[in-house]
Amino acid sequence: TQLLEQSPQFLSIQEGENLTVYCNSSSVFSSLQWYRQEPGEGPVLLVTVVTGGEVKKLKRLTFQFGDARKDSSLHITAAQPGDTGLYLCAGVNNAGNMLTFGGGTRLMVKP
Amino acid sequence: DVKVTQSSRYLVKRTGEKVFLECVQDMDHENMFWYRQDPGLGLRLIYFSYDVKMKEKGDIPEGYSVSREKKERFSLILESASTNQTSMYLCASSPRATRAYFGPGTRLTVL
Repeated sequence: TQLLEQSPQFLSIQEGENLTVYCNSSSVFSSLQWYRQEPGEGPVLLVTVVTGGEVKKLKRLTFQFGDARKDSSLHITAAQPGDTGLYLCAGVNNAGNMLTFGGGTRLMVKP
Repeated sequence: DVKVTQSSRYLVKRTGEKVFLECVQDMDHENMFWYRQDPGLGLRLIYFSYDVKMKEKGDIPEGYSVSREKKERFSLILESASTNQTSMYLCASSPRATRAYFGPGTRLTVL
């Protein structure tokens, strides 16, 4: 089983602060995805990173895939209360038919 | 828009009951997944299916079975529900593991 560890598990910050969430594994993934889940809903895909070293930006969110394709990070600049939610990373196996999820980071942004 | 629906948002059952959770997707996706989500443990894969009548065990299949008689429908069965199966159950579908489309989840309580 390929394992993904996310850190921190919980993060509570003030509006306007920056933060970084990490997703680490000892396994190599063909690609890595980041999802956000709001209460009472299923996770929704934010981004997929495919190439080692790849950086993708989605407004104030910056996603990076490690050079070795084993880890990833999500950086949020000037966090807003609307960013509150559970952030999940998920690795795609080499066969391309299975997603393995990390434990998630629960983010709360206080106004 | 892809739609993944789950038969119930909330379900309360008694220990020993047989429980059926239904999931339907409307986008002709090959892959369908059942996850359970528990605080601090993230999403753990129970079973997945990559075609009609095909199924593969995930990380935690014990106590569960699945059925996929039609491409659009993937059912999770708890043969004899136990209190440790109280959880949020999430169904997802994907054309491949390029991205997962999740249903809203079923919160199951076993008394």
